[in-house]
Amino acid sequence: QSVLTQPPSVSGAPGQRVTIACTGSSSSIGAGYDVHWYQQLPGTAPKLLIYGNNNRPSGVPDRFSGSKSGTSASLAITGLQAEDEATYYCQSYDSSLRGFVMFGGGTKLTVL
Amino acid sequence: EVHLVESGGGLIQPGGSLRLSCAASGFSVTRNYISWVRQAPGKSLQWVSLLYSGGSTYYPDSVKGRFTISRDNSNNTVYLQMNSLRADDTAVYYCARVLTIPGNSYSYYMDVWGKGTTVTVSS
Repeated sequence: QSVLTQPPSVSGAPGQRVTIACTGSSSSIGAGYDVHWYQQLPGTAPKLLIYGNNNRPSGVPDRFSGSKSGTSASLAITGLQAEDEATYYCQSYDSSLRGFVMFGGGTKLTVL
Repeated sequence: EVHLVESGGGLIQPGGSLRLSCAASGFSVTRNYISWVRQAPGKSLQWVSLLYSGGSTYYPDSVKGRFTISRDNSNNTVYLQMNSLRADDTAVYYCARVLTIPGNSYSYYMDVWGKGTTVTVSS
């Protein structure tokens, strides 16, 4: 069981907007620790998508955005494309577990 | 260009040992933090070790005392020594460069990942 909770799956049609939630606790996201997001295409290594809650690395389209509020964070994808079909993971720190790197359970995005 | 290449995976019996390698290019492992992250079949990502540039190491309880992360400065390579392996250690093991956000406590994130190496623990 992951310390960070994500919905197992979300879906959307091409062109639509979807959001993926990442729920933590008062010892992780709620304590102010940053949230980072990764995209993992089938059979490949994870790729950094968002760091520091809402920053995009060079090369990541601005269709991807992140936000954080209270004990939760969200990844939003606008203008959904077929190539966005992947599993998305959030990651943060948890002070109660001294878990330097804690991942969510992952959310599989299906583009209908 | 920055690259990480893992090697050393394979089939190992329960209780056995294995050493994984992570060869870095395009940056120095002595001036960066490096982590190993694993992914069991069909499961999420799980952090298994962190090596600071200063040499400090950290592990989750699930592998503490069994896994050791280290580096060879001359070869720009990081290793993961895995002892007393169990079936639940079966996974793809990735190494990743870890960056931090200045001023933000424990804001570790992984900007470069290798393609991974597969470890299967089975009799």
